[in-house]
Amino acid sequence: DQQVKQNSPSLSVQEGRISILNCDYTNSMFDYFLWYKKYPAEGPTFLISISSIKDKNEDGRFTVFLNKSAKHLSLHIVPSQPGDSAVYFCAANSGGSNYKLTFGKGTLLTVNP
Amino acid sequence: NAGVTQTPKFQVLKTGQSMTLQCAQDMNHNSMYWYRQDPGMGLRLIYYSASEGTTDKGEVPNGYNVSRLNKREFSLRLESAAPSQTSVYFCASSERGRAQPQHFGDGTRLSIL
Repeated sequence: DQQVKQNSPSLSVQEGRISILNCDYTNSMFDYFLWYKKYPAEGPTFLISISSIKDKNEDGRFTVFLNKSAKHLSLHIVPSQPGDSAVYFCAANSGGSNYKLTFGKGTLLTVNP
Repeated sequence: NAGVTQTPKFQVLKTGQSMTLQCAQDMNHNSMYWYRQDPGMGLRLIYYSASEGTTDKGEVPNGYNVSRLNKREFSLRLESAAPSQTSVYFCASSERGRAQPQHFGDGTRLSIL
């Protein structure tokens, strides 16, 4: 049973517009969430994270929102750039350590010039 | 600044052959991890090593063994490869602590015929 779900396999947006990537989770023990970006033939790279004690975290063009009651988080990219085209993975963990990350299946974002 | 280095990048095996995937990190991280990624799936944790001298099972450990050789190196061994182990394998490392993200290598693409 998938504990972290990214229900949109792909998303296409125009350069300069907002990209919104969504993630839902079912395990109420999850209390730390991360987003990773992955280009083809490379490993994932860390993008941004959020603790369950917050509802928003911002880093430049990237903002992550957490709605604990809905068990939902989203990643906003504003403005979107062609170099943002990649697969984005949502991940979660619990228990105070960073050892066991549970990943979603990923969303392929394509930003069109 | 190499980060996490995985060797080999590609390998083709026959069913029943054995193989060791190598991983080394130069960031002086305490923790290291092995994941596999299958088409349309997120990354799944095979084994992890929270610190030198310790290893623990992840979500999908069957058919694999690991060795934390020293603080820098963490190897993954397939004793008798099976077609179901065809996958892309990623090694990662991190410092301890909830807010410490995992840093990934570029992967080993393994095909088992």
